[in-house]
Amino acid sequence: GENVEQHPSTLSVQEGDSAVIKCTYSDSASNYFPWYKQELGKGPQLIIDIRSNVGEKKDQRIAVTLNKTAKHFSLHITETQPEDSAVYFCAASIIIQAGTALIFGKGTTLSVSS
Amino acid sequence: GAVVSQHPSWVICKSGTSVKIECRSLDFQATTMFWYRQFPKQSLMLMATSNEGSKATYEQGVEKDKFLINHASLTLSTLTVTSAHPEDSSFYICSARDVAGVVYEQYFGPGTRLTVT
Repeated sequence: GENVEQHPSTLSVQEGDSAVIKCTYSDSASNYFPWYKQELGKGPQLIIDIRSNVGEKKDQRIAVTLNKTAKHFSLHITETQPEDSAVYFCAASIIIQAGTALIFGKGTTLSVSS
Repeated sequence: GAVVSQHPSWVICKSGTSVKIECRSLDFQATTMFWYRQFPKQSLMLMATSNEGSKATYEQGVEKDKFLINHASLTLSTLTVTSAHPEDSSFYICSARDVAGVVYEQYFGPGTRLTVT
């Protein structure tokens, strides 16, 4: 079945450094790729997303790149801050019986130390 | 905008009892809502897709008689865990899709922590 692989599972960086999280998806029909940030005990929050007709998207310190040929997409966080510490999930759109849905990666725990 | 609420935020119940969790879209209408389950330090597992006015579609391995889902209006979906057991203890999260929004975007609620004793 469809799946999304996410690496690394944990990532520790110093404040001010950059962080990169990578995902690979299997369904060639996927055309929407969001990234979510989840803090402890809370629901996921959408931080950025990208669609298949775009190769890169940036929003201040956060950027996402997409390589549809290789089925890879990545999250880039620059100038990391302690408040960026959280679990980050990538996801890819899929078609299910009920319509459209998202399939999630297993998450990356990002720790930013000051 | 695009705020989704869940109630309660946490609940403790005894084995054998039922628990109802509400998911509301506060500032938009949602024809589709999703229910997820998340175990500690794991990813989100889709349990079911709830479409307003119709029966929910459950993912493989999810017992529809145990996890009752109702989506009676464009702003409210409920998940009832029936005859709860300790193994049902988990973090339950709903998400909603804006009827006027992009087809894939989902907005998540804050989650409900269920503990069954």
